[in-house]
Amino acid sequence: AQSVTQPDIHITVSEGASLELRCNYSYGATPYLFWYVQSPGQGLQLLLKYFSGDTLVQGIKGFEAEFKRSQSSFNLRKPSVHWSDAAEYFCAVGAWAGSYQLTFGKGTKLSVIP
Amino acid sequence: GAGVSQSPRYKVAKRGQDVALRCDPISGHVSLFWYQQALGQGPEFLTYFQNEAQLDKSGLPSDRFFAERPEGSVSTLKIQRTQQEDSAVYLCASSSGGTSGGGEQFFGPGTRLTVL
Repeated sequence: AQSVTQPDIHITVSEGASLELRCNYSYGATPYLFWYVQSPGQGLQLLLKYFSGDTLVQGIKGFEAEFKRSQSSFNLRKPSVHWSDAAEYFCAVGAWAGSYQLTFGKGTKLSVIP
Repeated sequence: GAGVSQSPRYKVAKRGQDVALRCDPISGHVSLFWYQQALGQGPEFLTYFQNEAQLDKSGLPSDRFFAERPEGSVSTLKIQRTQQEDSAVYLCASSSGGTSGGGEQFFGPGTRLTVL
């Protein structure tokens, strides 16, 4: 069965600083990988996804992520964080297991200092 | 509709009561998923529908949980004899069911269930 680990429960960065959120997955083959963002009281919004091809994927709101097969990682990056980026971020893996259900990590809460 | 909608947004139930949570997926989406998100955790898969067929219910935690999608559009998640451990946010997602990973899943805002 697939699994996702997000090692950082909470990260605080200053506005304008760069950001990297870590994600490691466990799956026997090449998975489908996703990053979602969840603001308080809101549903999950897809930031970006990796299905195949170029290992560096661009998403919305200036986010990007790089798939590294050798490290089983799919880290999320942003060169300059805005105060509005404060939210909870979830990495997920999608793999066939009776359905293309998503398996999520526990999330990383991002706080932004003005 | 423009997105996935869920109702009610908040539900408070006394232990032992039955509850019904509704999901309206994006029009035309074949696939529908239910997830449970406990406080401070990531969402966890409950069940999956392809049109009206429930093809995967491996994530349902007990036989008190029941889901249906009788006409292949609106879905209802029912929890019988609610327990305190059922308190969570219940998320619904729909997708077009494309061949690439089943297509992108679009999530609704969720229903926050509190069992007293």
